[in-house]
Amino acid sequence: KAGVTQTPRYLIKTRGQQVTLSCSPISGHRSVSWYQQTPGQGLQFLFEYFSETQRNKGNFPGRFSGRQFSNSRSEMNVSTLELGDSALYLCASSPSAGHSAAEQYFGPGTRLTVT
Amino acid sequence: GQNIDQPTEMTATEGAIVQINCTYQTSGFNGLFWYQQHAGEAPTFLSYNVLDGLEEKGRFSSFLSRSKGYSYLLLKELQMKDSASYLCAVRSRTGANNLFFGTGTRLTVIP
Repeated sequence: KAGVTQTPRYLIKTRGQQVTLSCSPISGHRSVSWYQQTPGQGLQFLFEYFSETQRNKGNFPGRFSGRQFSNSRSEMNVSTLELGDSALYLCASSPSAGHSAAEQYFGPGTRLTVT
Repeated sequence: GQNIDQPTEMTATEGAIVQINCTYQTSGFNGLFWYQQHAGEAPTFLSYNVLDGLEEKGRFSSFLSRSKGYSYLLLKELQMKDSASYLCAVRSRTGANNLFFGTGTRLTVIP
């Protein structure tokens, strides 16, 4: 079974631009969560989608948004990029709606650098 | 609010045992996870505790005390490949796949 895939793996953008990142979950998984990882803050939750609906949202500004398609693939978008948005963006898929020990499987991440 | 604390760095010798502690204060609790992350790679799942006690899985064990807001990850018979960051994460409520992570403990295993 293929793992979680994320594209692109690396991205360099300029302040003020916008960016779209993509995540394909493990086949059959309906939950996709997004996290931002930085050296100082660690992993921070952005949002979670389940069956095309955003179920949970972390404490990030409205510049961060996402969506999920009927095939469970998910995208996240960051508009008006700031230098502080430079980070590793990880997505994780899970087969469940968060009721059990079902773990989240992480993708390799997209390394975003904002200059 | 949510607060999860772990030591920043630890060093241990190959073949030894190491215990990585995690304390948490969250608005709710529905499970504690441990993940391993090698440099430049994605986190991989190690263990899950939702009830008090010890869960053992090969060389790795994880303990939870909900009343104390405390967990530890125990690694036995350390190998060089165990050098990695170990992340403690709490799921604060059921029906949600958002995890609150600590900043991680970077473990270095030396010969």
